[in-house]
Amino acid sequence: AQTIHQWPVAEIKAVGSPLSLGCTIKGKSSPNLYWYWQATGGTLQQLFYSITVGQVESVVQLNLSASRPKDDQFILSTEKLLLSHSGFYLCAWSYRGPSYEQYFGPGTRLTVL
Amino acid sequence: GDSVTQTEGPVTLSEGTSLTVNCSYETKQYPTLFWYVQYPGEGPQLLFKVPKANEKGSNRGFEATYNKEATSFHLQKASVQESDSAVYYCALSDQGSNNRIFFGDGTQLVVKP
Repeated sequence: AQTIHQWPVAEIKAVGSPLSLGCTIKGKSSPNLYWYWQATGGTLQQLFYSITVGQVESVVQLNLSASRPKDDQFILSTEKLLLSHSGFYLCAWSYRGPSYEQYFGPGTRLTVL
Repeated sequence: GDSVTQTEGPVTLSEGTSLTVNCSYETKQYPTLFWYVQYPGEGPQLLFKVPKANEKGSNRGFEATYNKEATSFHLQKASVQESDSAVYYCALSDQGSNNRIFFGDGTQLVVKP
């Protein structure tokens, strides 16, 4: 069975500080990977997706960047956090190809002060 | 472009009453339609998907029919329980969506005992 792990579970960071969030998928080789952001009480906003190691496509940047250093790992980062970065960050995976459902991780709650 | 519009929440119901969450979509392709459910503090979970027009999906007492003529995919449940309280997202993906799933804004359901 596939499992998806996100770290950290929660972060409280200062405006202007750097950020790195991680996501690991176990039990599935070569998945499509996705990052989403969700404001408190808001809808799901897709940020990035990756279909293979080393390749990341941006959907909405929000002054964030993403990388896929390994087949099973997806990293979201920024060098300088903004207040508007606060929210819930979700990683998801799917099988290769269009029209497949996405499976979400447990999320990371980020508070920027 | 692709889009999904669903009932604005919150929807408040008493236990044992019936639920309908309206969902309509726009796309020039032939989409796969999804319903996701998100409980507080968790990532969204797939409730079910329907890849073909005029077919019905169902899970945990929830059901929806892919109506291509009306471009609708309304979520229904005959008798809701307090444990159904969550946010429900209608979504679509298609061949031209470039690995994206387009989510509606979500409908919060509150079920009172």
